[in-house]
Parts: sequence; C-alpha cells; structure tokens
Amino acid sequence: GAVVSQHPSRVICKSGTSVKIECRSLDFQATTMFWYRQFPKQSLMLMATSNEGSKATYEQGVEKDKFLINHASLTLSTLTVTSAHPEDSSFYICSARQPYGYTFGSGTRLTVV
Amino acid sequence: GIQVEQSPPDLILQEGANSTLRCNFSDSVNNLQWFHQNPWGQLINLFYIPSGTKQNGRLSATTVATERYSLLYISSSQTTDSGVYFCAVADDYKLSFGAGTTVTVRA
Repeated sequence: GAVVSQHPSRVICKSGTSVKIECRSLDFQATTMFWYRQFPKQSLMLMATSNEGSKATYEQGVEKDKFLINHASLTLSTLTVTSAHPEDSSFYICSARQPYGYTFGSGTRLTVV
Repeated sequence: GIQVEQSPPDLILQEGANSTLRCNFSDSVNNLQWFHQNPWGQLINLFYIPSGTKQNGRLSATTVATERYSLLYISSSQTTDSGVYFCAVADDYKLSFGAGTTVTVRA
C-alpha cells in the first residue's frame, strides 16, 4: 500500500532556531500533501496544503512566514518551523490523498526548549 | 467547513466487552475514515467507509451517508484496543477530524 515516510520522528531544538521536517511519498507521486498539527489531548488541525510546484495554501490563523512549506518534487514536501518558540512545541504530521482515503506519516514530535 | 462530532468522548471497557463509537457530520462527504492513534502518535487507518458497511476482524463500521453518521463497532475488546479513535471526513480534498473518543480497555 501507499506509504508516507516522515522524518525526524522526534526533535528537540533551542528557542529561536529553525527545524525542518520532511515528508516523502515512497511508492507513489503526491502532487498535494497536507500538514497537520496536534497539541496534547487534542484533535488534528489542518495547517496547510502543500502543492507541488506552487505555493502552499495555509489555513486561517496559521502564520505562513513561521511555517514554511516547500513541495519541490512529486515525492517530497518539507515543513520548516522558523524561529521556533516553546509554544510551537507540538506533534506535526503529514498526509497524502489516495484513491481510497488519506495516508499519514508517522509524525514528528517537536519540543522547543 | 464540515463539522464532525464524535461520541462518547471517553469510554472505559472491561476486556471482552463490546462497544459502539459514533461520528456525526454536518454535510455530504466523499471521504470518511476511522483511525486509531497509537501511543506513539501513529494514525492507523481502520476503515475507508464513505458509505456502507465493512468488517475487519473484531472491528466493523457502518456509514449511513443520507443521515450523516457513521458507527464503529468494537467487539470482544482487548487491552490493545486502548487509544484514541478518530473519525475524519472530507467533502472536497480537506480532511476534517472529530475530537476523538478515548477508549480504555481494562484487563
């Protein structure tokens, strides 16, 4: 079946630094990928839609300058959290649409100290 | 966007018991999935079920699209069934999640 690989699975960074999260479709091409954020004990909230070869579409309230998304190829989308602060600590997870549902990466737990 | 409501929010079961989780949604959908989120955060796809009934082992699901609800049945629950169950729907290409049902199965 379709597999979405996400790295790193866990990252700790210092406040003010930037962190890049990668999401790869391993056995299919994904022209569109989705990025979600999940705070503890909460549901998943869509942050942005990543489109290959064009700008990402951000959901209302999501700062596009803080969460930079690049979808440079049909198999790779990246999310960069810039100038991270403790409030950005969260679980980030990517997804790609398939003919029969959406497939999710394994997620990245970001801790900003 | 589509509103998704899941009930109950929490469910405590004795091992071996059966249970039903419900998902109500506010509009027509072309995608509905049930997920189990494990302790490490991984979303395990249980069912892709925009309509109809499916079964997979001890789990089954039914979606009545015309009435805008879906049910997930867990039979003969096991401790490994513990975790958060999410219902997610889409009417175009954006998947919206419900708040989830936290299931705890006690031995």
